[in-house]
Amino acid sequence: AQTVTQSQPEMSVQEAETVTLSCTYDTSESDYYLFWYKQPPSRQMILVIRQEAYKQQNATENRFSVNFQKAAKSFSLKISDSQLGDAAMYFCAYRPWNSGNTPLVFGKGTRLSVIA
Amino acid sequence: DTGVSQDPRHKITKRGQNVTFRCDPISEHNRLYWYRQTLGQGPEFLTYFQNEAQLEKSRLLSDRFSAERPKGSFSTLEIQRTEQGDSAMYLCAGTRQETQYFGPGTRLLVL
Repeated sequence: AQTVTQSQPEMSVQEAETVTLSCTYDTSESDYYLFWYKQPPSRQMILVIRQEAYKQQNATENRFSVNFQKAAKSFSLKISDSQLGDAAMYFCAYRPWNSGNTPLVFGKGTRLSVIA
Repeated sequence: DTGVSQDPRHKITKRGQNVTFRCDPISEHNRLYWYRQTLGQGPEFLTYFQNEAQLEKSRLLSDRFSAERPKGSFSTLEIQRTEQGDSAMYLCAGTRQETQYFGPGTRLLVL
């Protein structure tokens, strides 16, 4: 069974600094998707970034970028120039490539605090 | 805003009562998922619809749970004879271009 592990229950970062959130996963599949979702307190879970496993280039979305290491099964999220609004729970999620029923498998999350 | 809405946002009920939640995805979401999220955990898969067909249910979905998606539009999740262990956030997500977009969730508290 696929599993996703986020080893950092909590992280903190100073405003304007950079922070990296870790995620590792276990799968025997060769094709899959990886996602980072952000869940602010009492607010909706929103997509931060998505990576297709076949792509060697790391995905980037503005201040958010990933370091995808397929061989190591590692998918870390880097947040640059951290802002107070980045404070949230961050979930790493995995999904196999096939087009059938493929629910997301989530890690337990990392709570990020941003210090002014 | 993902365009996915859920109603109600909060529900408090007594043990043994029945509750029903509703999810309204956007029209492009032909696949719809229900997840349950307990405190300190990531969401866990409950069930999945392709249009109006319910294609899979997880082991988490006991016989007290039932879900429907009539006409492939909105979906409902009903819990009968609620138990305190059902207290959780219930999330639905619609799929577009292989990415799931979540609603705000319904937080259920069973007293």
